[in-house]
Amino acid sequence: KNEVEQSPQNLTAQEGEFITINCSYSVGISALHWLQQHPGGGIVSLFMLSSGKKKHGRLIATINIQEKHSSLHITASHPRDSAVYICAVDPDKLIFGTGTRLQVFP
Amino acid sequence: DAGVIQSPRHEVTEMGQEVTLRCKLISGHNSLFWYRQTMMRGLELLIYFNNNVPIDDSGMPEDRFSAKMPNASFSTLKIQPSEPRDSAVYFCASSTDRAVGELFFGEGSRLTVL
Repeated sequence: KNEVEQSPQNLTAQEGEFITINCSYSVGISALHWLQQHPGGGIVSLFMLSSGKKKHGRLIATINIQEKHSSLHITASHPRDSAVYICAVDPDKLIFGTGTRLQVFP
Repeated sequence: DAGVIQSPRHEVTEMGQEVTLRCKLISGHNSLFWYRQTMMRGLELLIYFNNNVPIDDSGMPEDRFSAKMPNASFSTLKIQPSEPRDSAVYFCASSTDRAVGELFFGEGSRLTVL
């Protein structure tokens, strides 16, 4: 069993829909990262969380340390949000999930 | 700041050749990470440095791989001799603190070993 599990693996949505991507982990962590990888390959750090909730524009990330679970939400999704979203946890070194491929259609 | 800079962006080489990938950190960052991404295994941490010192190299595949950080702003990842299974995208990332810092990634170096 992977230490970091993401769901769903693939997600398609219509523009404007509310998107939720989930991440569950099985190890103790000091922080959890949400990363975005665009089709061109570049990786951007979206959030780093150790508790609670963070918001940046249309993106919201939450984490429940007791349940070892985090969610990434995208409100009013747009085709430019199409990317792979990767959850990574930091016990003593980063462990990555396999990513969620999101495609948003106009 | 220009961000984390990696070179080369693309490299195609033949099996057995030496490959050197380079990374320049963001000024003021003191942690550096080398990752490898493949279709089969996703993103994997190879090695990370804190204040120029290698902290964890348990992800380095084998002795053919070596990484150095000769100064606070620059690192190299060397593969010698290279093999086709080394073909991947190699990312470098830096942060201000290993444990809790936001990561800043380079654009990656796509390596193809024929």
